[in-house]
Amino acid sequence: QKEVEQNSGPLSVPEGAIASLNCTYSDRGSQSFFWYRQYSGKSPELIMSIYSNGDKEDGRFTAQLNKASQYVSLLIRDSQPSDSATYLCAVRMDSNYQLIWGAGTKLIIKP
Amino acid sequence: SAVISQKPSRDICQRGTSLTIQCQVDSQVTMMFWYRQQPGQSLTLIATANQGSEATYESGFVIDKFPISRPNLTFSTLTVSNMSPEDSSIYLCSVEDHRGNNDEQFFGPGTRLTVL
Repeated sequence: QKEVEQNSGPLSVPEGAIASLNCTYSDRGSQSFFWYRQYSGKSPELIMSIYSNGDKEDGRFTAQLNKASQYVSLLIRDSQPSDSATYLCAVRMDSNYQLIWGAGTKLIIKP
Repeated sequence: SAVISQKPSRDICQRGTSLTIQCQVDSQVTMMFWYRQQPGQSLTLIATANQGSEATYESGFVIDKFPISRPNLTFSTLTVSNMSPEDSSIYLCSVEDHRGNNDEQFFGPGTRLTVL
């Protein structure tokens, strides 16, 4: 059974601080990793994808992948109240187009 | 990324009726998917809509309950048949966009369904 685990939260972070979101996965064959942001009442929005070990930065967002330890994380620097949302982690094996979804972490940025 | 629209955006339906949800993409895409997201829950894949052939359904979902059409590479419909209150959910269409060697999924705005 392929699984993706996330802490459901809520994770409360003060404005301006770094928010750290974590995701672990069970399938060692997983090759593609995605972070989606979902505001309440809206559909998921892709914010980061990562395919190889290490860090990938895009503006205030950094995705970190460690395949040996089977975890992927998302760092949000200089957190803003507008970052308050649920963050979904999704994982896919190369040979299977299906995404395996985590339950999501609710992030609250406090002004 | 592809621009995806869904109709209707929301609906309130009576038990026992059916609702067809439309998904339109502004470019041709190979892969289209239908998901369900119940309140406070993560995403559950219902099926993959295959162009020119029958949809591929996930465990727990059947064609009689969720018939899907995919007449071309830019359009798909999902019907929720013989609805019950348990079908109240958000239904999401997604497409796979090929970027170089990487495939990423993007979502439509969703259809919020309430069954009374």
